[in-house]
Amino acid sequence: NAGVTQTPKFQVLKTGQSMTLQCAQDMNHEYMSWYRQDPGMGLRLIHYSVGAGITDQGEVPNGYNVSRSTTEDFPLRLLSAAPSQTSVYFCASSYAPRGWGGYTFGSGTRLTVV
Amino acid sequence: AQKVTQAQTEISVVEKEDVTLDCVYETRDTTYYLFWYKQPPSGELVFLIRRNSFDEQNEISGRYSWNFQKSTSSFNFTITASQVVDSAVYFCALSEAGSGGSNYKLTFGKGTLLTVNP
Repeated sequence: NAGVTQTPKFQVLKTGQSMTLQCAQDMNHEYMSWYRQDPGMGLRLIHYSVGAGITDQGEVPNGYNVSRSTTEDFPLRLLSAAPSQTSVYFCASSYAPRGWGGYTFGSGTRLTVV
Repeated sequence: AQKVTQAQTEISVVEKEDVTLDCVYETRDTTYYLFWYKQPPSGELVFLIRRNSFDEQNEISGRYSWNFQKSTSSFNFTITASQVVDSAVYFCALSEAGSGGSNYKLTFGKGTLLTVNP
């Protein structure tokens, strides 16, 4: 059972480039979300999804797009990378909406935008 | 709005000392969940504990214990007889169980960096 798998683990982008961070889970969880972690800021929610075809914005959605075509996958797209998007990105999934199911996190993607 | 405050940015202790990490939260919901996560130097987030707002029993798991006090909105974490392997950033987080979009969101504190020296 792989849990939540994020790829790539590391990425360097030039300003203006686009890329997609991949997130896949094999636990049949309905709820998936993306967080970014910046020094001294904790983790902040970017986007989340409550099921296939349903997504919504979190605290810091600007510059990111998401879609959820299947239960398993929840990719995060950067359309035009900016240095301010240099961060560590975590994907999380949960089988329940209210926290009692707990959250499983991927191992993270460290992104540097130069 | 939900908020989590971890006032201790960094703590340094010597091995075998006991250490308590503080967490204070704010929420308007009467039903919510509190979490502690550990982030070792390798970077992954390791789940430690989940507590719901109706369960104020303290919990002990080996050298770890948690003290949940609704009266002071605190959910503190104590490591007894600390070890070098406990060195990590520890995050406290809150999830509201009320209606609306907030119940899909974990609000994290900014974390406490614990360094255990040999």
